[in-house]
Amino acid sequence: DGGITQSPKYLFRKEGQNVTLSCEQNLNHDAMYWYRQDPGQGLRLIYYSQIVNDFQKGDIAEGYSVSREKKESFPLTVTSAQKNPTAFYLCASSISPLGYEQYFGPGTRLTVT
Amino acid sequence: KQEVTQIPAALSVPEGENLVLNCSFTDSAIYNLQWFRQDPGKGLTSLLLIQSSQREQTSGRLNASLDKSSGRSTLYIAASQPGDSATYLCAARRAAGNKLTFGGGTRVLVKP
Repeated sequence: DGGITQSPKYLFRKEGQNVTLSCEQNLNHDAMYWYRQDPGQGLRLIYYSQIVNDFQKGDIAEGYSVSREKKESFPLTVTSAQKNPTAFYLCASSISPLGYEQYFGPGTRLTVT
Repeated sequence: KQEVTQIPAALSVPEGENLVLNCSFTDSAIYNLQWFRQDPGKGLTSLLLIQSSQREQTSGRLNASLDKSSGRSTLYIAASQPGDSATYLCAARRAAGNKLTFGGGTRVLVKP
């Protein structure tokens, strides 16, 4: 079964702790993306990676970090510097960054108290 | 800077009625536009991708049109069913390697 998996589905953390969200794809896609969605709003791009060992900041990268050591994996770390981390986080991938369709994972809902 | 707007934010229709969902974008120089469906608490499912050179794209009961000159795309869903209840988002891409800019979505309820 090909697709994108995100784990865990729900994540709870105390303020001041870093937390890492997992994203794995077995679609052999080159490009991967992380988005944040707040209630009733569209998605905003946090980071994206066009190829292994390379990534770029999106519109709201402050307080987040990523790595792309393997083609299949693009983990996102939400650091304590992120002022409003509670949100729904979505990972996506596309066969290439050159305008192809993006496919999304099921999302991780992060709650920080 | 590209801005994408979807109005209305919510829509309720009786089963069987055709759905018309609107998407407006400020920069007409788009590369393509993608329509997604999102069920509550879930990820996005891609419905249709329409290239800037296309006027429309069809898949089953779904039809998306694109008018770059007026900065609008419309998603039509024929003969709506309760299973079509979801949030529909559009997203525009400015250039081949560029990012998607999302609208806020339209939440649709189809009443049996």
